Amino acid sequence: RKEVEQDPGPFNVPEGATVAFNCTYSNSASQSFFWYRQDCRKEPKLLMSVYSSGNEDGRFTAQLNRASQYISLLIRDSKLSDSATYLCVVNIEGSYIPTFGRGTSLIVHP
Amino acid sequence: ETGVTQSPTHLIKTRGQQVTLRCSSQSGHNTVSWYQQALGQGPQFIFQYYREEENGRGNFPPRFSGLQFPNYSSELNVNALELDDSALYLCASAGDTGELFFGEGSRLTVL
Repeated sequence: RKEVEQDPGPFNVPEGATVAFNCTYSNSASQSFFWYRQDCRKEPKLLMSVYSSGNEDGRFTAQLNRASQYISLLIRDSKLSDSATYLCVVNIEGSYIPTFGRGTSLIVHP
Repeated sequence: ETGVTQSPTHLIKTRGQQVTLRCSSQSGHNTVSWYQQALGQGPQFIFQYYREEENGRGNFPPRFSGLQFPNYSSELNVNALELDDSALYLCASAGDTGELFFGEGSRLTVL
């Protein structure tokens, strides 16, 4: 089983739709969690950190479920510009090594 | 702009050759890490340097080596190139919050 797993998609949604991605992790010692966005042929950029209590940034909501060992990203009112690959990143307590999922591809169409 | 720059942006090598990729990190960021990203995959951690010392390494063979310099620049060296080394190589510097700031990457093709 991979340490961090994501459904690669693509998720194909119309503008205005709500879409959610999950990311599961295998190591219960995982401590910090992030969502990064990567546009085609570009570098990843931090979208948001994921806090235990959940957090929201505009149309984006991130949640952590430690019991089931997954994090989620919810995007409301999707825009064409949201089309990208969304990477889940997990850091294990005491480790310097961030583990990336393979990414989930989102395509928002008119 | 992340303040992280990488060079070269693209290069082509043949099997068995050696390559050096360079990265200039954000000033003040003492941690730099390197990643390999194959097409359709997430970035794979190669190694990390903190104040010129390697302090973490992923599952890569010894022919992948690195250096970090006092001026916030670093290098990734790959010897005896193999076809499977073809990938995007990303350098990232880390802020105090743990956020990674990536450069635009060096796209290596091994023929």
